[in-house]
Amino acid sequence: ETGVTQTPRHLVMGMTNKKSLKCEQHLGHNAMYWYKQSAKKPLELMFVYSLEERVENNSVPSRFSPECPNSSHLFLHLHTLQPEDSALYLCASSQRTGRGELFFGEGSRLTVL
Amino acid sequence: AQSVTQLDSQVPVFEEAPVELRCNYSSSVSVYLFWYVQYPNQGLQLLLKYLSGSTLVKGINGFEAEFNKSQTSFHLRKPSVHISDTAEYFCAVTPAGGGGADGLTFGKGTHLIIQP
Repeated sequence: ETGVTQTPRHLVMGMTNKKSLKCEQHLGHNAMYWYKQSAKKPLELMFVYSLEERVENNSVPSRFSPECPNSSHLFLHLHTLQPEDSALYLCASSQRTGRGELFFGEGSRLTVL
Repeated sequence: AQSVTQLDSQVPVFEEAPVELRCNYSSSVSVYLFWYVQYPNQGLQLLLKYLSGSTLVKGINGFEAEFNKSQTSFHLRKPSVHISDTAEYFCAVTPAGGGGADGLTFGKGTHLIIQP
């Protein structure tokens, strides 16, 4: 596999469920990101990991919990979500010493009932 | 902090006509600029980027953009569009020389609609 792979592509969950989104990059990058894409709104940067350390958390509710066990894998753990959390969640990676170019996965479409 | 404004949420264009998608940014520091494209049910793909040097940059699929520092703009152009160019286009910025782990700040996107 090449590039950035996200699973699952689609997820439907109730507000009391616990689920996780997974992202894997095969590009040798050392920074990974979670973005939230909602209709009619700019992409929102949620979390940044650089060399497996979280470097940014843009006031994201605690019901979203990221995990970066190594430079190739990134998870987003979800629990007690709200319907307004329904969105496309995009994972991206880059070189920490690069020039800002991000490589994106195809996204995980989340629907919260 | 940076911000990006894409004034047009939708741009309808006839096939083989030229198109310009507008992007303006605000930043207190120098920035790198990007245009990404998102086709239906897919992630974002880089079209082109401006880092330094020539203010006219060329990208994939026949697109080009011009950086105008005085007007803080980075408009995207294509001289002749095709049906396959129908997609959402995003302009983005990041601080220049920031180490590459700052993430990108995106505009709201412009939906390019190609009419036959």
